[in-house]
Amino acid sequence: DAGVTQSPTHLIKTRGQQVTLRCSPKSGHDTVSWYQQALGQGPQFIFQYYEEEERQRGNFPDRFSGHQFPNYSSELNVNALLLGDSALYLCASSPGPEYEQYFGPGTRLTVT
Amino acid sequence: DAKTTQPTSMDCAEGRAANLPCNHSTISGNEYVYWYRQIHSQGPQYIIHGLKNNETNEMASLIITEDRKSSTLILPHATLRDTAVYYCIVRTTDSWGKLQFGAGTQVVVTP
Repeated sequence: DAGVTQSPTHLIKTRGQQVTLRCSPKSGHDTVSWYQQALGQGPQFIFQYYEEEERQRGNFPDRFSGHQFPNYSSELNVNALLLGDSALYLCASSPGPEYEQYFGPGTRLTVT
Repeated sequence: DAKTTQPTSMDCAEGRAANLPCNHSTISGNEYVYWYRQIHSQGPQYIIHGLKNNETNEMASLIITEDRKSSTLILPHATLRDTAVYYCIVRTTDSWGKLQFGAGTQVVVTP
């Protein structure tokens, strides 16, 4: 049984560009949450998707957007990249919004 | 949201029990205590959670005080692979999706 998978593993982008990160949830999970983790800090909640809708959102600007597909996989899009967007982006899935979340290995984004 | 307070770091000898404290003095009645850990450069790993009663699973035990203002995560026989940052999180049922991570406790297990 595969766990949460994320792609790509690493990514380098230039300031001002746009990026799309992908997440496949654990089998049987229908809820996906995204987090940003800057170096040396704990993960910060970006948003959660359930039933293909954004259900909750953290304190992140509209440059951060997402999508959930009918197969429960999800994408995180970030527009107009800033140097400060450099971080580890983590996806977590759960078998419903109220259950414990299981994290993927993350995508390391570097903005130059 | 309730906040948690954890020690910045702890050392533990391999094979001994590791007791990780967490203070959550402002916790509300509908808020759960969750524990995650994060090994360097990996995604956080779910350990255990509880509401009022003590909980145990194959990884750890969670002891919650009767007034629910603090809790202790117990790793019964620490191994070198348990070296990680451990996060204590209070999760409200009004905001299911959001896990608020603090700075956590850096646990180093030594031989």
